[in-house]
Amino acid sequence: EVQLVESGGGLVQPGRSLRLSCAASGFTFDDYAMHWVRQAPGKGLEWVSGISYNSGSIGYADSVKGRFTISRDNAKNSLYLQMNSLRAEDTALYYCAKASSGSYDLPSDYWGQGTLVTVSS
Amino acid sequence: DIQMTQSPSSLSASVGDRVTLTCRASQSISSYLSWYQQKPGKAPKLLIYAASSLQSGVPSRFSGSGSGTDFTLTISSLQPEDFATYYCQQRYSTPLTFGGGTKVEIK
Repeated sequence: EVQLVESGGGLVQPGRSLRLSCAASGFTFDDYAMHWVRQAPGKGLEWVSGISYNSGSIGYADSVKGRFTISRDNAKNSLYLQMNSLRAEDTALYYCAKASSGSYDLPSDYWGQGTLVTVSS
Repeated sequence: DIQMTQSPSSLSASVGDRVTLTCRASQSISSYLSWYQQKPGKAPKLLIYAASSLQSGVPSRFSGSGSGTDFTLTISSLQPEDFATYYCQQRYSTPLTFGGGTKVEIK
């Protein structure tokens, strides 16, 4: 059974940093691309970032480019999102999602339950 | 960036109704479109990929069509478990953008 478990969320002050993690199990992690998708309270989905199976291809939303960094450790079956210079508008539930193959531009066929990030002073 | 516009933003329908949701891209995206269903407090679920391919395990009452800029998701006979919010997403180019969603409510 595919499982994606996010962690690392919490309350953080504007301008500070936070690192999210996603522990994956139930599939061959290094065969698949991964995504981070977020959802602000009461709002729609926003794709944040994607990374190919071997980290060779990475993409970001304009809203986070230059501030967030996606990475993965295939030996640890883990996905990460380093978030710097956080802003109030980054407040959201952050989902980790598995792509349907190795390229990050493919749809997400499995999702975690999310970790909540709140940016506030 | 490619903008995805969904309409309507919400609709009310009854069990058994045929429901059609629309998604329009700001430029041609060929068939690089997916549809997701999200229920309150739950993660999204992939329904349709490549505009018209049904994801494994998804009931056949769901279907997708379209190419280029205009796409539809059709639920042939609405069931109680289908009341949810539906999102389209393009994968033609980065950033991979979602539409704003269509909330399907009970009439």
